[in-house]
Formats: sequence, C-alpha cells, structure tokens
Amino acid sequence: NAGVTQTPKFQVLKTGQSMTLQCAQDMNHEYMSWYRQDPGMGLRLIHYSVGAGITDQGEVPNGYNVSRSTTEDFPLRLLSAAPSQTSVYFCASSYLGLAGVETQYFGPGTRLLVL
Amino acid sequence: TQLLEQSPQFLSIQEGENLTVYCNSSSVFSSLQWYRQEPGEGPVLLVTVVTGGEVKKLKRLTFQFGDARKDSSLHITAAQPGDTGLYLCAGGETSGSRLTFGEGTQLTVNP
Repeated sequence: NAGVTQTPKFQVLKTGQSMTLQCAQDMNHEYMSWYRQDPGMGLRLIHYSVGAGITDQGEVPNGYNVSRSTTEDFPLRLLSAAPSQTSVYFCASSYLGLAGVETQYFGPGTRLLVL
Repeated sequence: TQLLEQSPQFLSIQEGENLTVYCNSSSVFSSLQWYRQEPGEGPVLLVTVVTGGEVKKLKRLTFQFGDARKDSSLHITAAQPGDTGLYLCAGGETSGSRLTFGEGTQLTVNP
C-alpha cells in the first residue's frame, strides 16, 4: 500500500493564482482531512470529509475549497492564492477504532510559497 | 475549540539524557495521542491513551494520561539522535470528533 500520497511536493504561486493540491489514499478510510502547519501553531484543520460526497469546514477554511467524489481522493483547491496561505499542507486519512478513537495517517506534505 | 498547550516548545539535549514533554489543557479529552514528525515528512502516530491514569511504554518512551484526562506527558529515557523530531500531542473530545493538535515540541538530541 502507498498509504497517503500528495502532489505536488513543492509549489510556488503568485498572488491571485489558483491551484489544486492533490491527495489520494489506498487504505479505504472513510475520513480524510486537510491541515496546514505553520511555525509555532501546530496543525490546523482546514476541511475534512467523513465519506464520499460529504465535506465540512475545519478551523481555518477561508480561501480553500474541497470536494470528495470518491473514497480515495480529496483535493484541496486554493481559489485565489494569498501570501498568508504560504504554509506546509498535510492531507490525512483516518478511521475510527476502539472507543471511537480516530487514528490518522498523514501524507508527506506539500510546501507552498505564495509570492 | 479546546486548546492543548505543549511545553517546552524547544528542547536540545545531549545523547543519553532523559527528558519529559508535557501536554496540558483545561478541558477533558476522551483520548490523547502522541505523534512524531521528522523533517520533510508527515506526523506518525506513536501511541493512543484513552483511560485516565493510563501508562503506555514504547521501548524507551513512556506515555502517561493524567487521572483527570486533561493532561499527558511523554518521557524519553537515554535519548538518542534518532529521537530528534517534532512531537505533537492531539486530543479527541468525544467519540468520532475531530482531533485538536498542540503546537508541538521540537526535540534535538545531539551526539
């Protein structure tokens, strides 16, 4: 199994450009999430999905869109990139185990720089 | 949103030393997880604790969940350079709820 894969690994954008960060998982997990990681701020949840066709907002959703047409894929779209969106983006897939505890598997991340 | 505070934020020690990292909250969590993240990679789950007072050991790492389920600690015995990384705690509020992550503790173990 490849686990969780993310593309691209690095991206440089100009302010106002749009792009899509790709995420795929082959573990048949129902849950998928997008986080951004900034220095000193840990991981902050952007959007998540509890199954195909179902998405919801996390802590910092503004400026981002998601869709979940299949169990495997969960792309994150930046509509009009801003310098404040410079960050490292992680996709994760997860399942609910014993006692309803969520176990997350993270991808390797996409490093985004917005100029 | 419940907050998790980790301390210290940065820790640099010599190989062979012991260390403890703390994860604290004013709120109760139903579960607490610890992840380790190496440079250029995503976090990897180390352990999950769900019972107040629970202690789990993973080789030289000892994890404890506070009796009131508001705090947790990670103790590393005889640290090695391979332990270097960012340690993140994450709390689950209720069954199936979203995880809340702490800011992380950046550990550097010098040879």
